[in-house]
Amino acid sequence: GAGVSQSPRYKVAKRGQDVALRCDPISGHVSLFWYQQALGQGPEFLTYFQNEAQLDKSGLPSDRFFAERPEGSVSTLKIQRTQQEDSAVYLCASSFLQGANQPQHFGDGTRLSIL
Amino acid sequence: SQQGEEDPQALSIQEGENATMNCSYKTSINNLQWYRQNSGRGLVHLILIRSNEREKHSGRLRVTLDTSKKSSSLLITASRAADTASYFCATDDSSYKLIFGSGTRLLVRP
Repeated sequence: GAGVSQSPRYKVAKRGQDVALRCDPISGHVSLFWYQQALGQGPEFLTYFQNEAQLDKSGLPSDRFFAERPEGSVSTLKIQRTQQEDSAVYLCASSFLQGANQPQHFGDGTRLSIL
Repeated sequence: SQQGEEDPQALSIQEGENATMNCSYKTSINNLQWYRQNSGRGLVHLILIRSNEREKHSGRLRVTLDTSKKSSSLLITASRAADTASYFCATDDSSYKLIFGSGTRLLVRP
């Protein structure tokens, strides 16, 4: 498809397990973003890639969160030793160019539930 | 932390009526964007207004921006049931980073 694709759509994990969330951005999009969205709230910025370079990871809540985009296309967000407070929807977005004047194209997210 | 606050938090109107949502923000901005999110889906970009613009139209959407009051409004005219969704404003400070508000949940009753 032509849009941003995220998998899995739903993930249930036990506290302490590691999880990996995948994002396939729109082909050719330079910028890729990860957001965390709590129930009833707006998305909160986690991290930003320009091609394969992670330029900003200031929003990652702890060192248990790690993101990569090794070839400048697909990205993976990994959460180690999951905690209940990690339960949220994780959204990926991409934009064609870098910079502020770009609309971002969002995937439908991965809903993560930690038991 | 959230930059913007939308008002109202929830809005219920009859199909055919107009819906107005407001967004206030705290710091200087470069652009302000509005997004729509249907339940269980990702966000869809609606419109971008630059800090030197005061009003912008796109189909049934009208956005205003008042940088002196640090506020924006989104007007949806002649609403339809399909407009039922959450609406978010997002600001940037001339970098790549968008900061979203907490959203307005709009219900359009058929």
